[in-house]
Amino acid sequence: EADIYQTPRYLVIGTGKKITLECSQTMGHDKMYWYQQDPGMELHLIHYSYGVNSTEKGDLSSESTVSRIRTEHFPLTLESARPSHTSQYLCASSEAGGRNQPQHFGDGTRLSIL
Amino acid sequence: QKEVEQNSGPLSVPEGAIASLNCTYSDRGSQSFFWYRQYSGKSPELIMSIYSNGDKEDGRFTAQLNKASQYVSLLIRDSQPSDSATYLCAVVPASGTYKYIFGTGTRLKVLA
Repeated sequence: EADIYQTPRYLVIGTGKKITLECSQTMGHDKMYWYQQDPGMELHLIHYSYGVNSTEKGDLSSESTVSRIRTEHFPLTLESARPSHTSQYLCASSEAGGRNQPQHFGDGTRLSIL
Repeated sequence: QKEVEQNSGPLSVPEGAIASLNCTYSDRGSQSFFWYRQYSGKSPELIMSIYSNGDKEDGRFTAQLNKASQYVSLLIRDSQPSDSATYLCAVVPASGTYKYIFGTGTRLKVLA
């Protein structure tokens, strides 16, 4: 059973606010990911990390930033939220290792920007 | 050509039937393949991992991998209405180990 937690589950907030979406995992996984997914649409990778102090942008251009100061914690920040940021944000983690291990997902944060 | 392709569906099968979901991929060097189930409004949940050619069975689920033909499939035996969901295929291409390429998913409807 994967132990990866995202908070908040739902967030409705006004334009221009600074937002931080939290993601924590208790499995000691080195690799962590953030995806954006609109309803009925595909997953888009926006950030990933291979370990502490390692972060990279994914394929989808995003105005968000991430940090990885501790192995278990991978928060995503939007400095100034806009309605175009309305989406579901999914955090995932996987073990490092010679063979690619599956990603395990948190429950997601559904973000609505008014 | 998309890197990972799935028929979007919906695939409708009667309760108790076998549901067959297919996924093709473009990177011949891909080594790792995963099937996820995603209920509407929920996050993806891992069903199966498969790394070698052939079949891998887990309960009512069987994953089949054919690297020569570049496809991976998922069979669901004795389909139940609770299996109604979108099934995502994920492939890790040879070019980069960070990048799990997800298909757009196949929506399965199991009719009671």
